[in-house]
Amino acid sequence: NAGVMQNPRHLVRRRGQEARLRCSPMKGHSHVYWYRQLPEEGLKFMVYLQKENIIDESGMPKERFSAEFPKEGPSILRIQQVVRGDSAAYFCASSPGPLNTEAFFGQGTRLTVV
Amino acid sequence: DQQVKQNSPSLSVQEGRISILNCDYTNSMFDYFLWYKKYPAEGPTFLISISSIKDKNEDGRFTVFLNKSAKHLSLHIVPSQPGDSAVYFCAASNTGSARQLTFGSGTQLTVLP
Repeated sequence: NAGVMQNPRHLVRRRGQEARLRCSPMKGHSHVYWYRQLPEEGLKFMVYLQKENIIDESGMPKERFSAEFPKEGPSILRIQQVVRGDSAAYFCASSPGPLNTEAFFGQGTRLTVV
Repeated sequence: DQQVKQNSPSLSVQEGRISILNCDYTNSMFDYFLWYKKYPAEGPTFLISISSIKDKNEDGRFTVFLNKSAKHLSLHIVPSQPGDSAVYFCAASNTGSARQLTFGSGTQLTVLP
């Protein structure tokens, strides 16, 4: 049973480009969470999705960021017109149900904006 | 506004001794607490959790203690092993509403051989 798969592991984008981060949850998991970790900080919640629905996006910046979890395929976190401050590690987690149990995290995507 | 605080950024312990990692929280609505371990360039790995209806949960070498009145929890690792060297994150959730986890900033544990 493969774990949570994130790709790419490393992504370099120039300022103004778009970044697409992918997350395939564990088999049987229909709940996906995205977190961002800035240098020297803990993980900060961004968005919680179930299949085809955004449940909670209270941690998502209002502009340039969007997330989806389609019926088929991975969850996508999309950052448009990236800026240097978007450089961070982005982690995806999945769980079989609402996060009252342990969420399993992927290895993360390290985004560097140059 | 940091709702979950880990005030010690680092901790060094001798192999075989006890490691105690501390975490404080301010939001009285939190009712579920978790500890994660993270190695460099990897995602956090779940270690142990505790519900607010309990004050202690044990799993092998790992024990989590919860003091609700003090809004404080701690993770005890005994005996500590060099492989335990990692960053440990405390996390909390309010299961009644949003399903998000609120993380502390982490404590780097180094277990010296």
